[in-house]
Amino acid sequence: SSELTQDPAVSVALGQTVRITCQGDSLRSYYASWYQQKPGQAPVLVIYGKNNRPSGIPDRFSGSSSGNTASLTITGAQAEDEADYYCNSRDSSGNHLGVVFGGGTKLTVL
Amino acid sequence: QVQLQESGPGLVKPSETLSLTCTVSGGSISSYYWSWIRQPPGKGLEWIGYIYYSGSTNYNPSLKSRVTISVDTSKNQFSLKLSSVTAADTAVYYCARGNWNDENYMDVWGKGTTVTVSS
Repeated sequence: SSELTQDPAVSVALGQTVRITCQGDSLRSYYASWYQQKPGQAPVLVIYGKNNRPSGIPDRFSGSSSGNTASLTITGAQAEDEADYYCNSRDSSGNHLGVVFGGGTKLTVL
Repeated sequence: QVQLQESGPGLVKPSETLSLTCTVSGGSISSYYWSWIRQPPGKGLEWIGYIYYSGSTNYNPSLKSRVTISVDTSKNQFSLKLSSVTAADTAVYYCARGNWNDENYMDVWGKGTTVTVSS
């Protein structure tokens, strides 16, 4: 089946900019969405569509896409941004149009 | 503000059927896709499947033979049944509201419920 590939871990200095990427063939055809998950909590949607933020998500979070890669950028990372981040999109492999998550990226804010 | 709440047994015996319900409050179950997602301890998220409010379903191929998702619009609830469970099905199970027509996202999530498969 289709896969979405993420780096397992990324770190960023406080106040700096970090990009978290997600690669997969299905991203050539479908938008990715991005979720933030802190320990013991449910995932929270932070970016969806071309580059949309749900109400309440700070504007330091942004999204972009090129070819088979979707990216989540945090401009001016804050300590509270330390979390796991998951990308999600359609799974267009085979004859089935399903849904797939990336493996997740653990973001450490130094 | 729409809220989701998972409910069901926290302990299921091997080979039995796991049954969970998600209750939607603060809004209608109509016009959205309703998903189940799970997360084994220390691991990532896995999509189980979704149901459209009209009743059409879409399941993860790796679980399809064991999964049934149903909807009860009169109660504003949807449910998950996973048969023949093993220890590998131990996870936190989340329900979520989604849009899978164009922008592909799940914007409202329940808090999750832990299900342990053990005798």
